[in-house]
Amino acid sequence: ETGVTQSPTHLIKTRGQQVTLRCSSQSGHNTVSWYQQALGQGPQFIFQYYREEENGRGNFPPRFSGLQFPNYSSELNVNALELDDSALYLCASTSGGASSYEQYFGPGTRLTVT
Amino acid sequence: DQQVKQNSPSLSVQEGRISILNCDYTNSMFDYFLWYKKYPAEGPTFLISISSIKDKNEDGRFTVFLNKSAKHLSLHIVPSQPGDSAVYFCASSDNYGQNFVFGPGTRLSVLP
Repeated sequence: ETGVTQSPTHLIKTRGQQVTLRCSSQSGHNTVSWYQQALGQGPQFIFQYYREEENGRGNFPPRFSGLQFPNYSSELNVNALELDDSALYLCASTSGGASSYEQYFGPGTRLTVT
Repeated sequence: DQQVKQNSPSLSVQEGRISILNCDYTNSMFDYFLWYKKYPAEGPTFLISISSIKDKNEDGRFTVFLNKSAKHLSLHIVPSQPGDSAVYFCASSDNYGQNFVFGPGTRLSVLP
């Protein structure tokens, strides 16, 4: 059973650019959530995808968007990058549909915006 | 407006003793609570959970206590081991797992 994987590990972008982060969910999991973790803070919920549909969204602007594919892998896209977008981006997957509570996290992508 | 608070940024405990990590929440609609452990350069790892219909859940060295009237939960680790040194996050959900709210974390150091 493979765990949650994320790519790339690190990324440096310039303000105003766009970025795409990728996540492969754990085998058998059909729900993926994305989180932003700023330095010294806990993860903050961005949105969740269940069976390729957005299934909940946190307090993030529309320039944060996502996709889930038929194999349940997922992408997080951020447009018009701002300096405050610098953070660790975590993806987590769950099994048993959207009502499963126990999420399994990937190692994250460290995004630096300069 | 922090809905989940972990007021102790750090905690140091001697190996073999009990570690107690605390978490307070403000949203009375939260119905499920989880604890995660995070090592540097890794994602958070699920430790233990409790639903709002229970007041205690135990798994090996880890026990979580929930006091709904006080909106407080705690994680007890007995006995503490050096490998337990990590950042611990408390998380809560009120919507069937669609939106987890995390606390800021407590860094636990277990001293040999």
